[in-house]
Amino acid sequence: DAGVTQSPTHLIKTRGQQVTLRCSPKSGHDTVSWYQQALGQGPQFIFQYYEEEERQRGNFPDRFSGHQFPNYSSELNVNALLLGDSALYLCASSFVTGQETQYFGPGTRLLVL
Amino acid sequence: GENVEQHPSTLSVQEGDSAVIKCTYSDSASNYFPWYKQELGKRPQLIIDIRSNVGEKKDQRIAVTLNKTAKHFSLHITETQPEDSAVYFCAAEFYSGGGADGLTFGKGTHLIIQP
Repeated sequence: DAGVTQSPTHLIKTRGQQVTLRCSPKSGHDTVSWYQQALGQGPQFIFQYYEEEERQRGNFPDRFSGHQFPNYSSELNVNALLLGDSALYLCASSFVTGQETQYFGPGTRLLVL
Repeated sequence: GENVEQHPSTLSVQEGDSAVIKCTYSDSASNYFPWYKQELGKRPQLIIDIRSNVGEKKDQRIAVTLNKTAKHFSLHITETQPEDSAVYFCAAEFYSGGGADGLTFGKGTHLIIQP
């Protein structure tokens, strides 16, 4: 039973560029949430996808967008990268919504120079 | 929105002693409270969670208590071992008009087990 996977593991970009991160949920899960974890901080909720739609969004600008595919995998896109976007980006998958355990992937470490 | 406060930020205990980490939350609608352990460079891993219909849950050396009236919950680790050293995060599931959504995390507690 495959757990949550993410790609790539590491990424280096320069300011102003665009990046796409990918996530495959745990087998049987249909909901994907994305989090940003800055160094020394707790994860911060970016948004959640269910049934290929964004259900809820945290306090992140429109530069952050996403997508969910029919196989429940998901992408996170960040446009016009800023130095402050450097962080570990985690996706978590769960089944349905509401009091369901979220399992995290290994994350993508993004460095913006 | 939900706000989660976690204390202490750093906790150092002797091997074999107990460790307690406390969290408070602001949204009385929250009903699900997981705890994650994160080792350096690794993903957060769920170690225990509690739902609002119970006040306490135990799994071997780890226990979590929940006081919904006071809006606080705590993690208790007994007989600590060196492999318990990590950063621990509490979280609360927050709700919007569309139902339960993401998790709001505390800032984390760096637990250090002294040999």
